[in-house]
Amino acid sequence: AQSVAQPEDQVKVAEGNPLTVKCTYSVSGNPYLFWYVQYPNRGLQFLLKYITGDNLVKGSYGFEAEFNKSQTSFHLKKPSALVSDSALYFCAVRDKTGKPGNQFYFGTGTSLTVIP
Amino acid sequence: NAGVTQTPKFQVLKTGQSMTLQCAQDMNHEYMSWYRQDPGMGLRLIHYSVGAGITDQGEVPNGYNVSRSTTEDFPLRLLSAAPSQTSVYFCASSRDRGFEQYFGPGTRLTVT
Repeated sequence: AQSVAQPEDQVKVAEGNPLTVKCTYSVSGNPYLFWYVQYPNRGLQFLLKYITGDNLVKGSYGFEAEFNKSQTSFHLKKPSALVSDSALYFCAVRDKTGKPGNQFYFGTGTSLTVIP
Repeated sequence: NAGVTQTPKFQVLKTGQSMTLQCAQDMNHEYMSWYRQDPGMGLRLIHYSVGAGITDQGEVPNGYNVSRSTTEDFPLRLLSAAPSQTSVYFCASSRDRGFEQYFGPGTRLTVT
């Protein structure tokens, strides 16, 4: 069964400090991996994705994520946090193989608070 | 492009009533999905479609029906609303399996 785990419900970091939001996954084949952000009362917005190739992926708003196949992880990072980064972050996985209808599986989300 | 649009934004239903949540996209995406978002549970897939005329069940399909007569539209029908269906509903679309999903703004549904 495919699944995504975000082990931290909440992450707090001071403005200007680096931030990490953790994600681990379990899929039967090779994964497509995604990060989304959700601001209050809004839909999810795409941040970045890993399809293949370089393990370090750069995305929107200065975010990046590192794919680690041996640890089955895809942690989201940013070198210097902004107060405006405070939001709910979701990791998602999709299997590259299997039946055509394979869909996204989302983690339960991590609430990031950046303290001024 | 309007992207993914959803109507209504808010809805209150009484137990047993039925209604349809509308979703449309103008990006010519083949893949469309419906999710519900509940506190502490993330997003759970209700139904999805990989093209016009093709739909399938997701993780939590009971009490919901879908159809996909056109590429653009993917309505979600609540057959007989129950308080357990109180949630925020999101529609999403993507070009293909390896591509990111685009989400609508959501519909906040309350069933009393």
